[in-house]
Amino acid sequence: QTVVTQEPSLSVSPGGTVTLTCGLSSGSVSTRFYPSWYQQTPGQAPRTLIYSTNTRSSGVPDRFSGSILGNKAALTITGAQPDDESDYYCMLYVPSGFSWVFGGGTKLTVL
Amino acid sequence: QVQLVESGGGVVQPGRSLRLSCAASRFTFSSSAMHWVRQAPGKGLEWVAVISHDGSKKYYADSVKGRFTLSRDNSRNTLYLQMNSLRPEDTAVYYCATDGRYDYYMDVWGTGTTVTVS
Repeated sequence: QTVVTQEPSLSVSPGGTVTLTCGLSSGSVSTRFYPSWYQQTPGQAPRTLIYSTNTRSSGVPDRFSGSILGNKAALTITGAQPDDESDYYCMLYVPSGFSWVFGGGTKLTVL
Repeated sequence: QVQLVESGGGVVQPGRSLRLSCAASRFTFSSSAMHWVRQAPGKGLEWVAVISHDGSKKYYADSVKGRFTLSRDNSRNTLYLQMNSLRPEDTAVYYCATDGRYDYYMDVWGTGTTVTVS
């Protein structure tokens, strides 16, 4: 069973930079898992931020960027804004099972 | 602007059935694979199932396999999720989402419909 790991919570100061990571309980994340990232505020539907590791979805500000850092996927927010305070979920595609697995989410606080 | 509107949620007793719908508009529905994703109260997102653009291929999460069935009516631009043998742990907001085609992600999301099994 594929388990995707994320930091439960992180904080960043307004204008600061923060990196959220997305790992596997067993193994390394690579581009073949097509990591994607989603932002969700309470009571709202998720919004797609990044797909295929580092491609920004339409309308997403360029302060959001995706990458592979070491053995994990990463979402970096550069110049954090108060509106970036949200839950962030990464998702990996599992080729062997033709399925998708979400991480548990990271609650980002901007203060 | 792509639009997805889910409906059919409600309160249902354990062991009973419910059918969710997802009405799509402003894009070529018949060309898009579609996903269902759910979120239990206070919990994270969970992928549920995906159906190919023509309905010929369907894949399910282990947690719903054998109980949930996906279908679609491309003439009505509508996606369906038939949920049988419902359990309390199926209580969640259910979202439909368009598939990101060759990049294996969820592209556009609906607003969700709430299912409570109690």
